[in-house]
Amino acid sequence: SSELTQDPAVSVALGQTVRITCQGDSLRSYYASWYQQKPGQAPVLVIYGKNNRPSGIPDRFSGSSSGNTASLTITGAQAEDEADYYCNSRDSSGNHPFGGGTKLTVL
Amino acid sequence: QLQLQESGPGLVKPSETLSLTCTVSGGSISSSSYYWGWIRQPPGKGLEWIGSIYYSGSTYYNPSLKSRVTISVDTSKNQFSLKLSSVTAADTAVYYCARHRSDSSSIFWFDPWGQGTLVTVSS
Repeated sequence: SSELTQDPAVSVALGQTVRITCQGDSLRSYYASWYQQKPGQAPVLVIYGKNNRPSGIPDRFSGSSSGNTASLTITGAQAEDEADYYCNSRDSSGNHPFGGGTKLTVL
Repeated sequence: QLQLQESGPGLVKPSETLSLTCTVSGGSISSSSYYWGWIRQPPGKGLEWIGSIYYSGSTYYNPSLKSRVTISVDTSKNQFSLKLSSVTAADTAVYYCARHRSDSSSIFWFDPWGQGTLVTVSS
């Protein structure tokens, strides 16, 4: 299957840790990449590969993977982390589907 | 620093062909290891991968759009383009272009992205 499933919404208290998950069969073979999108803005890459952060992404963002589930963890969530988060991966047919997205609210 | 910029009509009539161009600056579109991709986002909805192209011209498309999509590259202009035929209101979306990278057979990512351009399908 090329589908990636995400929880529609997650909330976290300011300064606490939150994990956003992405499930799909393709994740057993391919790593996920994660994108942050704030209202009216283009998505921004925050994690790719095993646990790689592009330059400029705070180290409170980290990634992990186990079986058919990839996770994005924010350790010590900040108000500016409130955004939509999308996962993406490759499947065995060469397609690159996105997950449906998770809306993160920082309380 | 690599930058991408989408351009094209903001309004397309139903049944016509949507055409967009992505201009790459700050780097060569002919660099190896890079594909170049199109992604769209209908208003209030999630991201949808449309397809990607290598500088040599090899392409791969989202199966759900494959019959209507053509992505091409013009290395002389450092641009790549998207054509989507027989559009309907369901194709109304913000269209993004992005560099599509891989550093192994199992790791892929899109970075950077263009700012996006809204295309509305309406008569």
